Parts: sequence; C-alpha cells; structure tokens
Amino acid sequence: DSGVTQTPKHLITATGQRVTLRCSPRSGDLSVYWYQQSLDQGLQFLIQYYNGEERAKGNILERFSAQQFPDLHSELNLSSLELGDSALYFCASSVGQATLSTEAFFGQGTRLTVV
Amino acid sequence: DAKTTQPTSMDCAEGRAANLPCNHSTISGNEYVYWYRQIHSQGPQYIIHGLKNNETNEMASLIITEDRKSSTLILPHATLRDTAVYYCIVRVAAFNYGQNFVFGPGTRLSVLP
Repeated sequence: DSGVTQTPKHLITATGQRVTLRCSPRSGDLSVYWYQQSLDQGLQFLIQYYNGEERAKGNILERFSAQQFPDLHSELNLSSLELGDSALYFCASSVGQATLSTEAFFGQGTRLTVV
Repeated sequence: DAKTTQPTSMDCAEGRAANLPCNHSTISGNEYVYWYRQIHSQGPQYIIHGLKNNETNEMASLIITEDRKSSTLILPHATLRDTAVYYCIVRVAAFNYGQNFVFGPGTRLSVLP
C-alpha cells in the first residue's frame, strides 16, 4: 500500500460526459502528479501541483483540468469525454513536509471507460 | 530531464539475479537516477534512487558508474512476482522543483520458472 488513495477504482461513462477523479496523497506529501496510461501505452504526465499551486504541465488536453485543495487532495476533471480518453489515470504524491524525500508514490489508479 | 535508454525486454530465471541496465549519457550533475516498476496495470512502484554512490535497500541494489552515464538495477534473487516493466528515470531531486517523472517505455522483465 503506497498510501495514495484514488477513487473511484472504475468508472464507465458515455461520450460527451464529464467525470471527476479524486486523489488523496500520502499524509504530509505536498506534491501531487497526474498521469494517463492508455492501453499498451506508456505513462503520460498530465500535470503537477505543489501545495495548491500548479507547478508543471504536460500533455494535458484543454478538456481536462485539475486542482489541489487546501487539505492537499486533488481532483482531475475530464469533460466532453471521447472514446480515446479511456485509460488508466494514476495519481502520485511526493515531497513530505517532514523530510526531503523526493521519490513519488503512486496510487492504484482509476480505470476510465468511455462508451 | 535527461533521456534514458533501456533494453525493450529481458528474461531472467527464477532465483537468479536480474541485472537491468540503463544508459543516461546526458545526465546532469544534479540529476538523480530513479527506478520504478509497474506490475500489470498496477500503479508504478518506487524501487530505489541514487546520485553517484551505489545504493541498496530491501528491494534492490543500484550500481551507478563512476562517470554516471549508466546504471544497473540488480534484483538479487528474482521471483515470479518481479515480472514487470522496469523504468529508469533521471531527474532533479529538488524539494519543490516543478519537475515531473518522465517515464519511457522501460524494460519488460520476465522471470521464468
């Protein structure tokens, strides 16, 4: 157990819809990363937040957005969903407040299926 | 982030040491080498990281060459549960630096009975 919690584990929705994926980082971790992994594809970095602020942006579509809340949990919002958005979405957290450890720990992912 | 090169796939006999190489010839002086693995659709799992000294933990050992242009991850006694895709990543390990972990295609390790 990495300590990173993602909900829901599975999500099935129709094209054109909007969904929200939630991530609770490890206790004390300030940084949250979101990744997308399509079938048989590599892990694609989407976005990173650090203590509520956006710190790095990858190949995130304009239909996608994210935020990190004061309690440090994060949400990834996906709208106007297309079939090609079907993928595993992973959240990771790193950078504890008490230590300078910088390795990132990943959650078990949310499997999104768009039908 | 520096680019890394890894073999596409490797086989290893169960109980033997698995040695996974990684080339990072353009690594900068302040970049660390991280290793992660992903077991079939699970979340990537952190294994180990290092700067220039060899590192060992309960999972693996990391050997970094003196010029830091390459490294080897060693799983001392591979088991079937070590079958996974292994990723070698280099990045700056700064406290609040806005830098993500860039995953390449990795090495698909198959541990054979």
